[in-house]
Amino acid sequence: GENVEQHPSTLSVQEGDSAVIKCTYSDSASNYFPWYKQELGKRPQLIIDIRSNVGEKKDQRIAVTLNKTAKHFSLHITETQPEDSAVYFCATQPSGYSTLTFGKGTMLLVSP
Amino acid sequence: KAGVTQTPRYLIKTRGQQVTLSCSPISGHRSVSWYQQTPGQGLQFLFEYFSETQRNKGNFPGRFSGRQFSNSRSEMNVSTLELGDSALYLCASSLTGDEQYFGPGTRLTVT
Repeated sequence: GENVEQHPSTLSVQEGDSAVIKCTYSDSASNYFPWYKQELGKRPQLIIDIRSNVGEKKDQRIAVTLNKTAKHFSLHITETQPEDSAVYFCATQPSGYSTLTFGKGTMLLVSP
Repeated sequence: KAGVTQTPRYLIKTRGQQVTLSCSPISGHRSVSWYQQTPGQGLQFLFEYFSETQRNKGNFPGRFSGRQFSNSRSEMNVSTLELGDSALYLCASSLTGDEQYFGPGTRLTVT
């Protein structure tokens, strides 16, 4: 089955810095790659996603890049703010299936 | 549109008992997936229902089951509860199966 590795497990940055979280996956059939943000005690929230026919996608301060050949994708957050502090999960989904396989999560702490 | 709702939000059960959790998807969404979230294992897929049919199933024992009704509401049942079943159970709804939107979860504690 699919295996998703996510790094780092924790990330501390200063407000205004950039943050990068990386994920690798094993199943070449995966073609949908969402990112979720989960604040303490809250539900996971879909913040951005990318499909395999696209190499990069941006939405304001967040962007995701995908390298299908190398089987890795990354989340980039620029100009971080304290409210960006949360656990971020990457996930993959193979074509034709609705199963999401998640990474273990990255706890991002943005200090003022 | 109203978001995904789950009831109850918190449950405390004893080993050996069974429990039923409920999920109401976003209006118009026909796909409902269930996930178990624990500190050790993270988010793990349980099963997915689409138009009242189980379409996918994760690697969980048969004690975990589910169903979906004609209005797309879904329930999951866990029988013969074990201590290790203590977790946050999340459901997610989707229009097509890919973009999944999560409910607030049900926190199950087994004592």
